[in-house]
Amino acid sequence: EAGVAQSPRYKIIEKRQSVAFWCNPISGHATLYWYQQILGQGPKLLIQFQNNGVVDDSQLPKDRFSAERLKGVDSTLKIQPAKLEDSAVYLCASSTRTGGGETQYFGPGTRLLVL
Amino acid sequence: QKEVEQDPGPLSVPEGAIVSLNCTYSNSAFQYFMWYRQYSRKGPELLMYTYSSGNKEDGRFTAQVDKSSKYISLFIRDSQPSDSATYLCAMHPTGANSKLTFGKGITLSVRP
Repeated sequence: EAGVAQSPRYKIIEKRQSVAFWCNPISGHATLYWYQQILGQGPKLLIQFQNNGVVDDSQLPKDRFSAERLKGVDSTLKIQPAKLEDSAVYLCASSTRTGGGETQYFGPGTRLLVL
Repeated sequence: QKEVEQDPGPLSVPEGAIVSLNCTYSNSAFQYFMWYRQYSRKGPELLMYTYSSGNKEDGRFTAQVDKSSKYISLFIRDSQPSDSATYLCAMHPTGANSKLTFGKGITLSVRP
């Protein structure tokens, strides 16, 4: 079974530029998550999709971050404009369902450096 | 106070040692408790999961949950250099779409 795919793996941009990350979850997984992991910290949930609907985006900085999940499969996360404090690893994860100890499967992440 | 606090690291032990990793939490609604392992430049992977209080063993790994103390632990017996990684505790309440809250992680190094 193929895992969660993410691209690009690394990205370096200057502040105020825009950037987009792509995620392809495990086939058949209805739930998709985007996390931000700052160096030395645990992942923080940015947004959670159930199929192609948003179920939690309470920690997404909506003035600069946006995300969509096309046809309930792939997802993109965009930052526009980027700030220095956005430097982090952006992790995508997927699961079959939520709320019952289900396993979230993580991709390798995209490392973003904002200069 | 953060919802989930994890012992600070890093931690370095000799091969064969018993390792104890701990987290405390403040939200009494948490019912599912997990330990994720994250190798350098990789995404986290689920190592152990426990529902409510109790112990769970899987090979060299044992997870313990004490809900009365809001304290969870992961024990690693006969630690190996391949166990060198960052260990993250994570937990969430019951209910559809409940959010997983992570500790900040502790980096473990097992010396050959």
